[in-house]
Amino acid sequence: EVQLLESGGGLVQPGGSLRLSCATSGFTFSNYAMTWVRQAPGKGLKWVSSISGRGGDRYYADSVKGRFTISGDNSKNTLYLQMNSLRAEDTAVYYCAKHYSSSPNSWFDPWGQGTLVTVSS
Amino acid sequence: ETVMTQSPATMSVSPGERATLSCRASQSVNSNLAWYQQKPGQAPRLLIYGASTRATGIPARFSGSGSGTEFTLTISRLQSEDFALYYCQQYNDWWTFGPGTKVEIK
Repeated sequence: EVQLLESGGGLVQPGGSLRLSCATSGFTFSNYAMTWVRQAPGKGLKWVSSISGRGGDRYYADSVKGRFTISGDNSKNTLYLQMNSLRAEDTAVYYCAKHYSSSPNSWFDPWGQGTLVTVSS
Repeated sequence: ETVMTQSPATMSVSPGERATLSCRASQSVNSNLAWYQQKPGQAPRLLIYGASTRATGIPARFSGSGSGTEFTLTISRLQSEDFALYYCQQYNDWWTFGPGTKVEIK
């Protein structure tokens, strides 16, 4: 069974940094693209960043480009999202999700349970 | 960027009735369209991919149709567990979600 478990969320001040982790199991991590999606309180889903299988290509939403970095550790089967220069508008539940294939041009299934990031002074 | 819109924003339906949700893309996404269900406090769950293929374990009462810019998710006979938020998502040109349709009990 494929499982995704996010961690690393919490309260951080504006301008601060946080690193999210997504521990995975049940599949060969390096063979699949992975994604981060966020959901602000009471709002819809917004794609944040994706990484292709084996990490060759990385993609970012304009709103986080230059501030967030996606990466993966194949030895730990774990996906990361390094978030720097955080803003109040980054406050959201952050979900990691597995793509259907190594190519990012596919749907997301399954999703982790999410981790809440709150940016506030 | 491909912008996704969904209608209606909210629909009130009685259990056992049919619900038809619409999703429109600002440009063609071919059949690269997925539908997700989200319940309060839970992560989204994949229902449909490729515009019309049900994901593993999804009941047959869920069906998807469409291609290009117009898509539909139909729930043939609503059950209590189907009252939730539904999002469409295109993965043809990067990844964008619609704003969602809330299906509530009438």
